[in-house]
Amino acid sequence: QLQLQGSGPGLVKPSETLSLICTVSGGSISSTNHYWAWIRQPPGKGLEWIGSIYYSGSTNYNPSLKSRVTISVDTSKNQFSLNLRSVTAADTAVYFCARGTVAASPPDLWGQGTLVTVSS
Amino acid sequence: SYVLTQPPSVSVAPGKTAGITCGGNNIGTKSVHWYLQKPGQAPVLVIHYDSDRPSGIPERFSGSNSGNSATLTISRVEAGDEADYYCQVWDSSSGHPVFGGGTKLTVL
Repeated sequence: QLQLQGSGPGLVKPSETLSLICTVSGGSISSTNHYWAWIRQPPGKGLEWIGSIYYSGSTNYNPSLKSRVTISVDTSKNQFSLNLRSVTAADTAVYFCARGTVAASPPDLWGQGTLVTVSS
Repeated sequence: SYVLTQPPSVSVAPGKTAGITCGGNNIGTKSVHWYLQKPGQAPVLVIHYDSDRPSGIPERFSGSNSGNSATLTISRVEAGDEADYYCQVWDSSSGHPVFGGGTKLTVL
C-alpha cells in the first residue's frame, strides 16, 4: 500500500531556505499520470496549495509562492522535495506532501505532515 | 483567483443530519471535492467529483453541487464525525487547486 512520509528540519531561520523531502513507499514515484504535491497549513488556519510536479517532470506552482518555490523529484530515491526560499514567520506551518492520481484530480493520499517553524 | 466560502462552524446533534455549504461563483460548473481533518491529522478525502465517495467512506457522507453552492451532507451524525471540513475545486484560471476556509463541525 502506497504511503508518503515527509521529513526535514522543524526549525528554519528567517531569510533561509526551507527544505523538505517526501519519501514514497509501497509504490513507484514514476507511476504515469500521478502528480506529487505540497500543501501547507499555518497553525489554526486552512489549507494552502504550494505546488505539484507531474510524472512527466512538469511543475505547477501557486502564483503567490512561485517566485520562492522549487519542487523536484529524485526517482532513484523514490522521493520528491520542496525548497522554499527566503522564508519569514508567515511560512510557519504544517507542510503536507500528497499524491493525486491524474491531473486536476484531488489529492487522495497524504503524508502525516511536518511542522516547520520559522524563527531566529 | 477563485474564492470558496464556507461557514466557520456548524453544530448538530448526534443522529441528526448536518449540511456544510461551500459557495463560489458558478461553482456548479466545477468539480467539488471535500476533505475531513481531525486535530493533528492529515486531511482525508471523503467526497470527490461533487458526489462520489472514495473507497472506505461511509454512505452517510454525500455531496451535491449546483449553481453557486455545493453541499456536503452527513446523515446520522456520530461523535466521531466531529472535525474540520474543507471543500476544494480546481481553479482553471490559475491552474491550481483552491481550498475553502474550512468548517468546524461540532457534535452536540
